[in-house]
Amino acid sequence: EPEVTQTPSHQVTQMGQEVILRCVPISNHLYFYWYRQILGQKVEFLVSFYNNEISEKSEIFDDRFSVERPDGSNFTLKIRSTKLEDSAMYFCASSENRAKNIQYFGAGTRLSVL
Amino acid sequence: AQTVTQSQPEMSVQEAETVTLSCTYDTSESNYYLFWYKQPPSRQMILVIRQEAYKQQNATENRFSVNFQKAAKSFSLKISDSQLGDTAMYFCAFMKQSMNRDDKIIFGKGTRLHILP
Repeated sequence: EPEVTQTPSHQVTQMGQEVILRCVPISNHLYFYWYRQILGQKVEFLVSFYNNEISEKSEIFDDRFSVERPDGSNFTLKIRSTKLEDSAMYFCASSENRAKNIQYFGAGTRLSVL
Repeated sequence: AQTVTQSQPEMSVQEAETVTLSCTYDTSESNYYLFWYKQPPSRQMILVIRQEAYKQQNATENRFSVNFQKAAKSFSLKISDSQLGDTAMYFCAFMKQSMNRDDKIIFGKGTRLHILP
């Protein structure tokens, strides 16, 4: 069964550095999402992406964050000037179309900012 | 703004028993979707069951069923004949039914379910 794949599973970085989290959505899906979960808290929406542009973003998604679909298969989340509070599990999701309303999630990347 | 509340942080039941996970939500929307997602340890979240708010009939998927009470804004998940593989974190979730691009999922904090042998 097709899966959303995220790499790496765990990323450790120094505060102030840039990180790129990578996701390979399911191949025929058109809608892409990033969510995050700080330890002990709820899974929170970050951003949705369709047709090579951001559809919606939350207040968490400040100007240090960006997303890109560089080659038609990967979907990346870049965080510049990382802060301690960026430490969280980041989940990528994809959806075939909005009518089906079903988002398929990856296993997540745990980001640790030291 | 929509909120989803799961009041049971953790539960344990014996294998083969039936267990019910609670979820309440708050919204002013009339049309929306509700979901239960399962996240086994170190694995991705997978969709267990989906309910469309305009449907009165409760959704069922094999051993999983929901009790959807729209007026009470309650959406509980019942797992019958529980199995060891049901051990996981379970998230209740909400999505507006929207004609624009607002299709983000709002999650509860989750209930960690342990099935005991």
